[in-house]
Amino acid sequence: RKEVEQDPGPFNVPEGATVAFNCTYSNSASQSFFWYRQDCRKEPKLLMSVYSSGNEDGRFTAQLNRASQYISLLIRDSKLSDSATYLCVVRGPTDKLIFGTGTRLQVFP
Amino acid sequence: ETGVTQSPTHLIKTRGQQVTLRCSSQSGHNTVSWYQQALGQGPQFIFQYYREEENGRGNFPPRFSGLQFPNYSSELNVNALELDDSALYLCASSTGGGETQYFGPGTRLLVL
Repeated sequence: RKEVEQDPGPFNVPEGATVAFNCTYSNSASQSFFWYRQDCRKEPKLLMSVYSSGNEDGRFTAQLNRASQYISLLIRDSKLSDSATYLCVVRGPTDKLIFGTGTRLQVFP
Repeated sequence: ETGVTQSPTHLIKTRGQQVTLRCSSQSGHNTVSWYQQALGQGPQFIFQYYREEENGRGNFPPRFSGLQFPNYSSELNVNALELDDSALYLCASSTGGGETQYFGPGTRLLVL
């Protein structure tokens, strides 16, 4: 079983749509959780950290359920510029980041 | 921009050769982590250096080795290249201790 699992997609949605991505992780000792965004042939960039209380940054909302070992990302009012791969990332007791395979999002006009 | 730079941007090698990739960390960062990203996969942790010492290693064979210099820049060396080593190699710098890691643009390695 992979340490971090995501649906690879692709998710094809029209502009203005709301889309949700989910992710599960296997190590209950994981300490920090993130969503990174990766554009084609570019490096990953931190989109947002994920906290147990849930957190929001503009159109983006992240949720963490430690009991179910489940992380989600909700994007509201999708823009063409949101087209990218979204990587679910977990950090354990050491400082290494463990990435999922990513979920590809394509927003069309 | 993150201030993390990597060189070269692209590289083509043949099986059995050796390669050295370089990373300059962001100013004020003393920790560099290296990741390998194969096509269609998420990045996989190779190892991390903190103040010139290896500080954790992923499931990569010993032919993957590294260094960190006093200015906190870092090198990744891969010996006896194999076709499966073809990937995007990313370095990330941070202040360590669980702080945010900032990625460089990566080096794309192709092994023929």
